[in-house]
Amino acid sequence: DAKTTQPPSMDCAEGRAANLPCNHSTISGNEYVYWYRQIHSQGPQYIIHGLKNNETNEMASLIITEDRKSSTLILPHATLRDTAVYYCIGGISGYALNFGKGTSLLVTP
Amino acid sequence: EPEVTQTPSHQVTQMGQEVILRCVPISNHLYFYWYRQILGQKVEFLVSFYNNEISEKSEIFDDQFSVERPDGSNFTLKIRSTKLEDSAMYFCASTGLVDYEQYFGPGTRLTVT
Repeated sequence: DAKTTQPPSMDCAEGRAANLPCNHSTISGNEYVYWYRQIHSQGPQYIIHGLKNNETNEMASLIITEDRKSSTLILPHATLRDTAVYYCIGGISGYALNFGKGTSLLVTP
Repeated sequence: EPEVTQTPSHQVTQMGQEVILRCVPISNHLYFYWYRQILGQKVEFLVSFYNNEISEKSEIFDDQFSVERPDGSNFTLKIRSTKLEDSAMYFCASTGLVDYEQYFGPGTRLTVT
């Protein structure tokens, strides 16, 4: 599994874009970049994943650098309900997810 | 929208007792997982299950743990003789053959006294 590095915490004002960075310089060619989040003590929730190309869904956008050594998760208009711990994980579909400590995002009014 | 369910939501047991945590994965999913999260710590993988057998397990998943899919819908985690350090949130997850995301249940909080 790729080791990922994320800042421990970030703040974002409500309504603004939240940009969460992740370094994954050891990611291998067949590993996807997954983003999950965990709100309080609830079960982790899938957000988005990508391999090489940038991806967008109804929740977020994922920007992956061309060398695949880092990525950024973008929540375009953060709300208070987006306050959570965000995890960037390198992995392969069907296999275990190796959660790190993630980034604790606090969205403030 | 289909979801993973887990029962009970909270289980209190005495040290040395056996516990069974239950999960109902999403109905057409084929891969099943158990994770745990000790209070204040990161989510840790325990075991994955595919085609009626364990496909992957972590070093945490020792002989005290076992998993079973007793019928077409339930997926269980058994801890034979609980220890204080087994106190944690236990999350079940499932995924389909072509899905990339794992769907997590709400968790069972296990408290060992």
